[in-house]
Amino acid sequence: ETGVTQTPRHLVMGMTNKKSLKCEQHLGHNAMYWYKQSAKKPLELMFVYNFKEQTENNSVPSRFSPECPNSSHLFLHLHTLQPEDSALYLCASSQDEDHSTDTQYFGPGTRLTVL
Amino acid sequence: GENVGLHLPTLSVQEGDNSIINCAYSNSASDYFIWYKQESGKGPQFIIDIRSNMDKRQGQRVTVLLNKTVKHLSLQIAATQPGDSAVYFCAENAYNTDKLIFGTGTRLQVFP
Repeated sequence: ETGVTQTPRHLVMGMTNKKSLKCEQHLGHNAMYWYKQSAKKPLELMFVYNFKEQTENNSVPSRFSPECPNSSHLFLHLHTLQPEDSALYLCASSQDEDHSTDTQYFGPGTRLTVL
Repeated sequence: GENVGLHLPTLSVQEGDNSIINCAYSNSASDYFIWYKQESGKGPQFIIDIRSNMDKRQGQRVTVLLNKTVKHLSLQIAATQPGDSAVYFCAENAYNTDKLIFGTGTRLQVFP
């Protein structure tokens, strides 16, 4: 266990559905991240939150909407997704985004399938 | 441009042998490097890191070597075990970006 949990672990949704992914970290960290992991591609950074403020949106389509109510919780709201959005979505946390050598700790991911 | 890549997509080793996984990077400003291990159905797990002011760092059964001259990073696993079977990623963090850039990964297969 890394101290970062994600729910659900698996999600199948249609293109017209609305769903949310949840991430919670128990490490006392201040920075949280969403990554997308597709087959045969490097991890793609999507969003970064530092002290609950969004500091990075890596040109992510608006059908992905993050929410960070506090430093321990991070959500990714999904709406009208496309089949190519099917991937493993990983959450990570680190002590502070401003410290470039802070290790990021990952959750187990949510395997998303869009039909 | 920035690029982190791995020389070998799949590495097969016999149990008990040593494994060496390689990684190349192109950003000379990178000053911090991390190796992650990702087992099937799990998220990446931190293994070991190294800063650019070092050329070698050892952990439990793992050693990371950094050659800044040729921008090369390697992960050595001693006495490889079946539980080491996973995908291994290197990642770099340039001091002026605060972002981790990941390679595509190398799959390590351990056979008896």
